[in-house]
Amino acid sequence: DIQMTQSPSSVSASVGDRVTITCRASQGISRWLAWYQQKPGKAPKVLIYAASSLQSGVPSRFSGSGSGTDFTLTISDLQPEDFATYHCQQAHSFPLTFGGGTKVEI
Amino acid sequence: QLQLQESGPGLVKPSETLSLTCTVSGGSISSSSYYWGWIRQPPGKGLEWIGDIYYSGSTHYNPSLKSRVTTSLDMSKNQFSLKLSSVTAADTAVYYCARVCYDGSGYPLRFDPWGQGTLVTVSS
Repeated sequence: DIQMTQSPSSVSASVGDRVTITCRASQGISRWLAWYQQKPGKAPKVLIYAASSLQSGVPSRFSGSGSGTDFTLTISDLQPEDFATYHCQQAHSFPLTFGGGTKVEI
Repeated sequence: QLQLQESGPGLVKPSETLSLTCTVSGGSISSSSYYWGWIRQPPGKGLEWIGDIYYSGSTHYNPSLKSRVTTSLDMSKNQFSLKLSSVTAADTAVYYCARVCYDGSGYPLRFDPWGQGTLVTVSS
């Protein structure tokens, strides 16, 4: 199985900050990576797929980059509604696997 | 707008079979463009992919669960279902259903949208 490791596990930030979350795959996955946002008690929502493609309806302050084994999700100009947990997921091979999550908190 | 809704018992006894149904509205599960998947999340933990199913009946399962998992489709009701046998406390989780969007090369690009999730507790 491909292991997905996110860092940091949590980050404290303020409104207006730029936040970067990293996801590392245990083997190369090309650009087959998605990012999800999850708020407490809610289902995850896709933000980015294929490493850098912005899902329709998602604000442009969210961006993704990377390929191979190292990926980043950047939130520029953090907004109050962005405080949540973020998950990465590899879509390269079965079984599909997720990172452990990164909590963005005040 | 496509919506998914999970339903099923919230409490299952150890060694019994967990059964959940996902009802899809605003779109058809017989679409050739998508698979239909299941993901779970134990309380306070990360996400685990369970498997998915295509309108033709083709499936992908997580090997860690494969011996206990069965998925099926009911086209007449626009529903798909999950059965997980021989459950233990380790199967306690919020279970989500989701549409799986594959690209033309066969890569499962993303899960979108998701159902709201249903908590299933395994306890006697």
